[in-house]
Amino acid sequence: SQKIEQNSEALNIQEGKTATLTCNYTNYSPAYLQWYRQDPGRGPVFLLLIRENEKEKRKERLKVTFDTTLKQSLFHITASQPADSATYLCALYSNYQLIWGAGTKLIIKP
Amino acid sequence: EPEVTQTPSHQVTQMGQEVILRCVPISNHLYFYWYRQILGQKVEFLVSFYNNEISEKSEIFDDQFSVERPDGSNFTLKIRSTKLEDSAMYFCASSLLAKGDTQYFGPGTRLTVL
Repeated sequence: SQKIEQNSEALNIQEGKTATLTCNYTNYSPAYLQWYRQDPGRGPVFLLLIRENEKEKRKERLKVTFDTTLKQSLFHITASQPADSATYLCALYSNYQLIWGAGTKLIIKP
Repeated sequence: EPEVTQTPSHQVTQMGQEVILRCVPISNHLYFYWYRQILGQKVEFLVSFYNNEISEKSEIFDDQFSVERPDGSNFTLKIRSTKLEDSAMYFCASSLLAKGDTQYFGPGTRLTVL
């Protein structure tokens, strides 16, 4: 069956450290994968998109990798700040629609 | 910065009633979407809309649902006869292009069916 999995447990990280979130998928061959941030009661906010032919994409303190062999994307936030605390969602594009992971809640402790 | 807006922010309705959720996408965007998120669960795709017609829809988007772009700015989702399980956050999104272009989400409408 097709699945997108993100770590369901909250990730607690000390301020200043690098946070790494994982998105694994099975039985999809996405052309690209996106990462979004969602704050409680709000809509998802787009962060980064990475295509299947790209290994890595960066934007300021954010970095995304995409390994189509492992069927995995990693999302990194360097020099993390308490304001980075949120739920981070991965979404892959398949059959003309975005398929979403359940998200990982990230908590950055001062 | 342009943004997607949605009204109302919270809608309470009785089971069996019809509701219309409204969205104003970003003005130059061409593709429009509706998603829902049941409390504590994943975001789920409902429908995409382009050139005044549905381009894709999910299994969730059954005959109880319909979408419309009644004028040049609004994009609506109608649920004809609401059920308890329709209670969720409903998000509208828009993008300039299709297939992987950044989708910009509205703040959502919380629908509560009693």
